[in-house]
Amino acid sequence: EDQVTQSPEALRLQEGESSSLNCSYTVSGLRGLFWYRQDPGKGPEFLFTLYSAGEEKEKERLKATLTKKESFLHITAPKPEDSATYLCAVTGSNYKLTFGKGTLLTVNP
Amino acid sequence: EAGVVQSPRYKIIEKKQPVAFWCNPISGHNTLYWYRQNLGQGPELLIRYENEEAVDDSQLPKDRFSAERLKGVDSTLKIQPAELGDSAVYLCASSGGQGIHEQFFGPGTRLTVL
Repeated sequence: EDQVTQSPEALRLQEGESSSLNCSYTVSGLRGLFWYRQDPGKGPEFLFTLYSAGEEKEKERLKATLTKKESFLHITAPKPEDSATYLCAVTGSNYKLTFGKGTLLTVNP
Repeated sequence: EAGVVQSPRYKIIEKKQPVAFWCNPISGHNTLYWYRQNLGQGPELLIRYENEEAVDDSQLPKDRFSAERLKGVDSTLKIQPAELGDSAVYLCASSGGQGIHEQFFGPGTRLTVL
């Protein structure tokens, strides 16, 4: 069974204080790893898809990286509007998307 | 381009009552998903449709849950009768094809069962 573990569960940063979120996974035949952002009362918003170890993708202050066992979401010089829950999910050979519990990020001004 | 539309946004019912949720996916998206998200958890897949066909309903509690996607566009998820443990956010998502495609989520329906 595919599993995704995200850490930390919650992270509080000061504006401008860079950090990283971790997503560890076990999956049968990784076909894709996804990062989503979820704001309170809204559905998850797609950020990135990573397909193979060594791949990196960037979007504004966010950068996602992938190894054979984990993915990191690096946040550079965060702003208060980056506050949200960040969800990691994997798809394996069954094409089913399995989510982690998420990391609640709070960026204080 | 319009996103995934869901209604209602909120629903409060007494236990043992029926409830239904509606979803309209992004135009042209053949694959539709229903997820349930409990507080502090990630979404969990209930059912996946490819056009009109339910290709993965292994996580759908079939004794009380049912879903349909007539004509391969809109979909309805029903619970009858609802139980206290069904309180959650029900999310609909769609994607542009089979295999590895990004899923785009609607805003969800928050269900409270009293």
